[in-house]
Amino acid sequence: GAVVSQHPSRVICKSGTSVKIECRSLDFQATTMFWYRQFPKQSLMLMATSNEGSKATYEQGVEKDKFLINHASLTLSTLTVTSAHPEDSSFYICSAKGGRRTGTGTENIQYFGAGTRLSVL
Amino acid sequence: AQSVAQPEDQVNVAEGNPLTVKCTYSVSGNPYLFWYVQYPNRGLQFLLKYITGDNLVKGSYGFEAEFNKSQTSFHLKKPSALVSDSALYFCAVRVDTGRRALTFGSGTRLQVQP
Repeated sequence: GAVVSQHPSRVICKSGTSVKIECRSLDFQATTMFWYRQFPKQSLMLMATSNEGSKATYEQGVEKDKFLINHASLTLSTLTVTSAHPEDSSFYICSAKGGRRTGTGTENIQYFGAGTRLSVL
Repeated sequence: AQSVAQPEDQVNVAEGNPLTVKCTYSVSGNPYLFWYVQYPNRGLQFLLKYITGDNLVKGSYGFEAEFNKSQTSFHLKKPSALVSDSALYFCAVRVDTGRRALTFGSGTRLQVQP
């Protein structure tokens, strides 16, 4: 299947610093990428939908200025947690919607990165 | 609005026995249904999907799922469980039009005992 690379896998930072997380689709072009947040023993909660070349669409309750999303190319989206605080500590997961490839039917599948565990001290 | 329910927080099964992880959904429109598996501190791995066609869908690692429109269910099944199948399983849904993001169920932890 398609590969999504997410980096870094783990970040420990001091309160007040900003953290950037990268999400790359390695073998396909992703016009749409999604950012999720997962709390311990809970499901994934969609934070925002990122479309290449346009502003991200944030879910209700997600602070746009807190979680900056940039989708500058068809293979890269970034999430920046600005002025991180301990309550931002979580597991962040990106996913990319598969591009059309003849005969594989991948266009309806979301492929997920391995996730980034953010710990803010 | 779309939603997914996974009624069981945990399913325990002995190795070699069949397993079922339940999922029901609610959408306005035609559903696209997915199962993903998550191992500790990892992202989600795609298992299988139902878009259209045969109600019985076969996926990775011997898993399959049956789409039942009348019961709005999409239960995940495997004829013979392995210890290595122990993980967290998520059912997800989206409709075929409009909003493209997936809505996930709360997850079901599968524990396969040797």
